[in-house]
Amino acid sequence: QKEVEQDPGPLSVPEGAIVSLNCTYSNSAFQYFMWYRQYSRKGPELLMYTYSSGNKEDGRFTAQVDKSSKYISLFIRDSQPSDSATYLCAMGERNTGNQFYFGTGTSLTVIP
Amino acid sequence: DSGVTQTPKHLITATGQRVTLRCSPRSGDLSVYWYQQSLDQGLQFLIQYYNGEERAKGNILERFSAQQFPDLHSELNLSSLELGDSALYFCASSVGLAWDEQFFGPGTRLTVL
Repeated sequence: QKEVEQDPGPLSVPEGAIVSLNCTYSNSAFQYFMWYRQYSRKGPELLMYTYSSGNKEDGRFTAQVDKSSKYISLFIRDSQPSDSATYLCAMGERNTGNQFYFGTGTSLTVIP
Repeated sequence: DSGVTQTPKHLITATGQRVTLRCSPRSGDLSVYWYQQSLDQGLQFLIQYYNGEERAKGNILERFSAQQFPDLHSELNLSSLELGDSALYFCASSVGLAWDEQFFGPGTRLTVL
C-alpha cells in the first residue's frame, strides 16, 4: 500500500465550476500537508501548506485536512482555464525530517 | 521562475552509462532535495542535503549518489543506468533544515535507451 493515494483523473470541468481534489493516506503520524500545482514541463509549485487538521483558505483555494479520516482535500472555486494543471498532494511527519511523500497527481483541465 | 536552476534540461544516454545532474539552489537556501518523477510512481523523494551534509534519505538506489558542494550547488550522479531510470529528476531547495517551503527547479528529463 502506498503512503499516499491520489486519484490520477483526468478531471475535466467547465470554467467557473468548483473543483474538488482529494488524497488519502495511511500514516497517522503525518502532520504537514501540502498541495502543489505542476504545469506541463515545469516543476511543482506550492499552493497550500497546512499543519494538522482544519481548513485553510487562500483566494479561490481552500485546503481541508481531516486527520481522523486520513483524508485531505483541495477545493478550487470559480475555476479558470489557467488552473489546468496537475495537482499533487504531499505530506510528511516530524520524525522523518523534511521527507515529503507525494501523491501521483490529478490532471485537471478547465474548459473555457 | 522559482530561482532554482537545473542543468541539463534533457539528457539522452545508453544503458550502463553514468550521468551527472546539476542543481543550483535559490540564493540563501541551505537545503537541497532531489526527486525522481515517473508516470507510474509519481514524485519520489531521493535525498536531502543541508549545508553540505546529507540529512535525509528516501528510496535512493545504491547506483545513485549525490553531494552538495561548499557553494551549495548539488550534483546527482546516476551510474550503471537502466531503462527504468528514465524519468524527470527535480531538484528543490529550501531555507532551513525542515518543514520550510520547497522551491522546485524545472527538472532534467533523462532518457535511457
